[in-house]
Amino acid sequence: AQSVAQPEDQVNVAEGNPLTVKCTYSVSGNPYLFWYVQYPNRGLQFLLKYITGDNLVKGSYGFEAEFNKSQTSFHLKKPSALVSDSALYFCAVRDGNNFNKFYFGSGTKLNVKP
Amino acid sequence: EPEVTQTPSHQVTQMGQEVILRCVPISNHLYFYWYRQILGQKVEFLVSFYNNEISEKSEIFDDQFSVERPDGSNFTLKIRSTKLEDSAMYFCASSAPWGMGRDTEAFFGQGTRLTVV
Repeated sequence: AQSVAQPEDQVNVAEGNPLTVKCTYSVSGNPYLFWYVQYPNRGLQFLLKYITGDNLVKGSYGFEAEFNKSQTSFHLKKPSALVSDSALYFCAVRDGNNFNKFYFGSGTKLNVKP
Repeated sequence: EPEVTQTPSHQVTQMGQEVILRCVPISNHLYFYWYRQILGQKVEFLVSFYNNEISEKSEIFDDQFSVERPDGSNFTLKIRSTKLEDSAMYFCASSAPWGMGRDTEAFFGQGTRLTVV
């Protein structure tokens, strides 16, 4: 069965420090992996994706994510957090053989303190 | 950049009433989705739509729900007899056909907040 797990409901980090938001996945076919961000009372905004190629992908607002096939993980990272990064982050996976559905994790609330 | 638009942004309805949530997907996209999110929590899949028919639906998407693409541009979600537990943020999304560039991610609208009273 396809699924996505975000083990942390909340991540707290001080501004200027590196941040990591964790995600692991399970799909039967090739994984297409995504990160979305949601600001309060807003929709889901695409950040970055991994489809194939280099395991380290870069996205919007200085975020990057590393695909690790052996650990079935796709952790979101940023070298230096900003207060404005505070939001809800969702990891999602799509089975490469099935365009019918994106599977979302439960979300991780990122709090960046000044 | 093209975007998915949803109307209304907020809908209040009485329990038992029918509501129609409207979405205009990005124009060259062919895959359409409805998701819902209760109180800023998990994003739950409802249904996907391709080639004028439902391609997949979740357990949540029971007989009270239906989707339609009435005119080639709009994509609607109808809830026939609303219940209190249908109160949620409903998101429409679309994605492009394979090979058309940016064809793997879904683009989401801003959502319709449905409140059933």
